Amino acid sequence: GAGVSQSPRYKVAKRGQDVALRCDPISGHVSLFWYQQALGQGPEFLTYFQNEAQLDKSGLPSDRFFAERPEGSVSTLKIQRTQQEDSAVYLCASSGRDRGTFGNQPQHFGDGTRLSIL
Amino acid sequence: DAKTTQPTSMDCAEGRAANLPCNHSTISGNEYVYWYRQIHSQGPQYIIHGLKNNETNEMASLIITEDRKSSTLILPHATLRDTAVYYCIVRTGTNTDKLIFGTGTRLQVFP
Repeated sequence: GAGVSQSPRYKVAKRGQDVALRCDPISGHVSLFWYQQALGQGPEFLTYFQNEAQLDKSGLPSDRFFAERPEGSVSTLKIQRTQQEDSAVYLCASSGRDRGTFGNQPQHFGDGTRLSIL
Repeated sequence: DAKTTQPTSMDCAEGRAANLPCNHSTISGNEYVYWYRQIHSQGPQYIIHGLKNNETNEMASLIITEDRKSSTLILPHATLRDTAVYYCIVRTGTNTDKLIFGTGTRLQVFP
């Protein structure tokens, strides 16, 4: 498809289980972002990739959260030993080629994965 | 923290123009104003962005004041499908810059 695709759309897991969330960015997009959105709040930044390099992971809430993008395309966000506070919508966004200050291109979002931890 | 201030909610009659204000008094010279909206159960949707000139596209118009401390997003003929949360965001022009969302404006379009 032409847009950002995320799977699964919904995920229910028991506390303590590990989960993996997938993001397929728009083809050719260099930049990939993960955001977390709690109920009733705006999205909050988790981590950023430029191609396969993870350049910013300052938003990851704990070392239980891990993201990768090994071939510079598909990305996976993994949460280990899930806790109830991890329940949220996880959004992925991508944007085009970085051209420095002249590369002002908007981020395009997928519809997210709604994660519920029981 | 978000660098913008928006009203919590607004109403608009279908077919009328919706004017959504945003204050960004601490905006820097290299920062753009971006607008996104989020319809229930969907991801944020990019609408428009600008630096200092007014901008228009097929979705909306963006009016930025001369001092760049505030802006207004205009939906010229609101429809029921425009009911959403609208976020005003300032960010630099590099693609490495994350988006910092505030709480946005919940726009309700009524028949």
